[in-house]
This record gives sequence, C-alpha cells and structure tokens, in this order.
Amino acid sequence: NAGVTQTPKFQVLKTGQSMTLQCAQDMNHEYMSWYRQDPGMGLRLIHYSVGAGITDQGEVPNGYNVSRSTTEDFPLRLLSAAPSQTSVYFCASSSAAETQYFGPGTRLLVL
Amino acid sequence: AQRVTQPEKLLSVFKGAPVELKCNYSYSGSPELFWYVQYSRQRLQLLLRHISRESIKGFTADLNKGETSFHLKKPFAQEEDSAMYYCALLTGGGNKLTFGTGTQLKVEL
Repeated sequence: NAGVTQTPKFQVLKTGQSMTLQCAQDMNHEYMSWYRQDPGMGLRLIHYSVGAGITDQGEVPNGYNVSRSTTEDFPLRLLSAAPSQTSVYFCASSSAAETQYFGPGTRLLVL
Repeated sequence: AQRVTQPEKLLSVFKGAPVELKCNYSYSGSPELFWYVQYSRQRLQLLLRHISRESIKGFTADLNKGETSFHLKKPFAQEEDSAMYYCALLTGGGNKLTFGTGTQLKVEL
C-alpha cells in the first residue's frame, strides 16, 4: 500500500494562476481532508469529505474548491492563487473515528 | 466553539531530562484527543490517542477532564524525540481534527 500520496511536492505559482493539488489514497477510507500548515498557526482544515460525492467546508475554505468523484481521489483546486495561500498543504484520510493518515505534503509558493 | 491550546512554541530540554508538552482543550462534547508528531520535513504521524491508553516511544498522555488537559509526557528525553508535536481534538462528523499550534521540542546533548 502506498498510503496517502500527494502531487506535486513543490509548486511555484504567480498571483492569479490556478492549479490543482492531487491527493490519492489506496486504503479504501471514506473520510478525506485537506489541511494547510502555517507557522505559528498549526494545521487548519480547508475542506473535507465523508464519502464519494459528499464534501463540506472546514475552517478556512475561501479560495479553494474540492470534489470527490471517487473514494480514492480528493483534489484541491486553487481558483485564483493569492500570496496568502503560500503554505504547506496536507491531505489526510481515515475510516470513521479512526486514526488519520497524512500525505507527505505539497509546498506551495505564490508570488 | 472547540479550541486546542498549546502554550509553548518551543521547548528545549537536555537529553535524559523529563519532558512535558502541554495541551489544553475546550469542547462541549465528549473529547477524543490525539498527539501527532512531525519529524523534520516529514509527514505527520500519530503518536498516541487517549482512548488507546498506550505508551508509544516512551510517551504517555492522560486525559484530565477536570482540567481539560491532555499533556504529553516522557520521563527521559532522547535526541531522536526532537520534532514538532501537535495536539488535536476530534470534532464533529467527518472525522475533523482541530489542531493546536504545535510545540517544537528540541532535545540537546
């Protein structure tokens, strides 16, 4: 099992550009989440999903879209990148009320 | 509203000294708490969860509902314990986690 995988590992964007951060898991987990990690702020939940076709907003959803067309994949879309979205993004997956498994992260720099 | 507080941004101890990383929470429901660890430039991984009541890598944490705390302890720090530690609270449906701001533990020789 690869666990939770994320691509790309690192990305540089210009303000206004759009991009998609990919996340995939091969553990058949129904729950998937996206967090952003910023110095001094810990991890904050952006969006989450409780199953294919079901998504909901977390604490900091503005500027991001998600979809969950399959159990395995949970992409995060930045519609129009802003410097405030410079961060490290982590995807996580889990079964109900069980341990969350995190991906390796994507470092995003928006200029 | 739910909140997790880790008051120390940085904790520096000498090898062999006891370690205590503080975590306090605010939550109206029945709390389920976790400690996650992130070694340098690696992904977060679960260290322990309170319902398991187990010791991982010598670390323990006890849930104190009266003091709304879930402090992480280890009697003798080791160099390989140097990492960022996050306390997290499971909140609501969807397996959502509310994280504290993290404590960087540095174990010096």
